[in-house]
Amino acid sequence: NAGVTQTPKFQVLKTGQSMTLQCAQDMNHEYMSWYRQDPGMGLWLIHYSVGAGITDQGEVPNGYNVSRSTTEDFPLRLLSAAPSQTSVYFCASSVGQFSGNTIYFGEGSWLTVV
Amino acid sequence: EDQVTQSPEALRLQEGESSSLNCSYTVSGLRGLFWYRQDPGKGPEFLFTLYSAGEEKEKERLKATLTKKESFLHITAPKPEDSATYLCAVQAANFGNEKLTFGTGTRLTIIP
Repeated sequence: NAGVTQTPKFQVLKTGQSMTLQCAQDMNHEYMSWYRQDPGMGLWLIHYSVGAGITDQGEVPNGYNVSRSTTEDFPLRLLSAAPSQTSVYFCASSVGQFSGNTIYFGEGSWLTVV
Repeated sequence: EDQVTQSPEALRLQEGESSSLNCSYTVSGLRGLFWYRQDPGKGPEFLFTLYSAGEEKEKERLKATLTKKESFLHITAPKPEDSATYLCAVQAANFGNEKLTFGTGTRLTIIP
């Protein structure tokens, strides 16, 4: 029972490089989202999707792109990495946008931009 | 603007010493208040959802309560395995999961 799977777990990037954080869920959830969590801070929503083919911006979308070609996958792309994007990234999913509101989180991807 | 403030930032308790964590919130109509547990190096793990003032939910040594301005997470006779960061989040009415506001958490340490 995998739940929400994120890869890679750890990544170091140089300023200006691009990369994709992968997220997959096997629960057939329609709603998926990406958060970032800086040390000692809460979680901030980057982008979200309410179903395949539909994405929208969250609170802190600048510098990130997403796509949702399938129900299972929701990759997050960093276009040109900056040190301010050093953070822990969490992918999450739930049955629906207005479901019983149980959001399941992945284990996180630690990103350092130097 | 929706806001969530958690206190204290950190709490150290002896094993068996009961206490409470506080989550104060301001939101333009509350759809739900959520408690999550986060272990070091892991993602948040769902604990409870509370929907209306006066509601209470329990799970093992944890009990969550809700008023119109705050929520408490009561921990009774905690064990070392209860050590974690506890996050509170609110969801505003007329919004879904795209509009969760998280607090910064309370880091709880239970000393054997």
